[in-house]
Amino acid sequence: DAKTTQPNSMESNEEEPVHLPCNHSTISGTDYIHWYRQLPSQGPEYVIHGLTSNVNNRMASLAIAEDRKSSTLILHRATLRDAAVYYCILRPYYNQGGKLIFGQGTELSVKP
Amino acid sequence: DAGVIQSPRHEVTEMGQEVTLRCKPISGHNSLFWYRQTMMRGLELLIYFNNNVPIDDSGMPEDRFSAKMPNASFSTLKIQPSEPRDSAVYFCASSLDGNEQFFGPGTRLTVL
Repeated sequence: DAKTTQPNSMESNEEEPVHLPCNHSTISGTDYIHWYRQLPSQGPEYVIHGLTSNVNNRMASLAIAEDRKSSTLILHRATLRDAAVYYCILRPYYNQGGKLIFGQGTELSVKP
Repeated sequence: DAGVIQSPRHEVTEMGQEVTLRCKPISGHNSLFWYRQTMMRGLELLIYFNNNVPIDDSGMPEDRFSAKMPNASFSTLKIQPSEPRDSAVYFCASSLDGNEQFFGPGTRLTVL
């Protein structure tokens, strides 16, 4: 399975944008890029996913590099509730069951 | 919808006892996943089912662990006999199309 590399931790100020990077240099042409986050004492929750084009939803935006070897999760205005561990995960397209392999993720702290 | 339901939320047991964790997936979802989370190993996939059939159990640590899905609305994860190193938070998740997994609140297991 292709692996991802994320910084262990990042800090942000409330109401400022946050850019969470993810490197996946061994990504294959048909791997989807998924992001999940885990708030303290909760189960992980889905944030966003994409294949090649940039994606937006109500929670965040996903910017994917042209060569797909890296991606960035963008939180447009961080709130205290966004403090969580963010996981970047690759899922092969043929994996219709949706099996996900979680790494260590990036722990995001948000300062008021 | 109530989301993924797990029971019990907390379980404290003594080494050697049998432990059964339960999960009710979101109605209509066809994939179900069992994960384990510890500080040392992070979030690990133990097993997942598709249409009630186990697809990949390569993450199950040893024969003491077993999982069943007798029907589309119920799954169990059993540990017999339990050991202190099994102490962890166990999450169940379900998915419809593989793109988004919905996680339950988890069961915190403590084996003394």
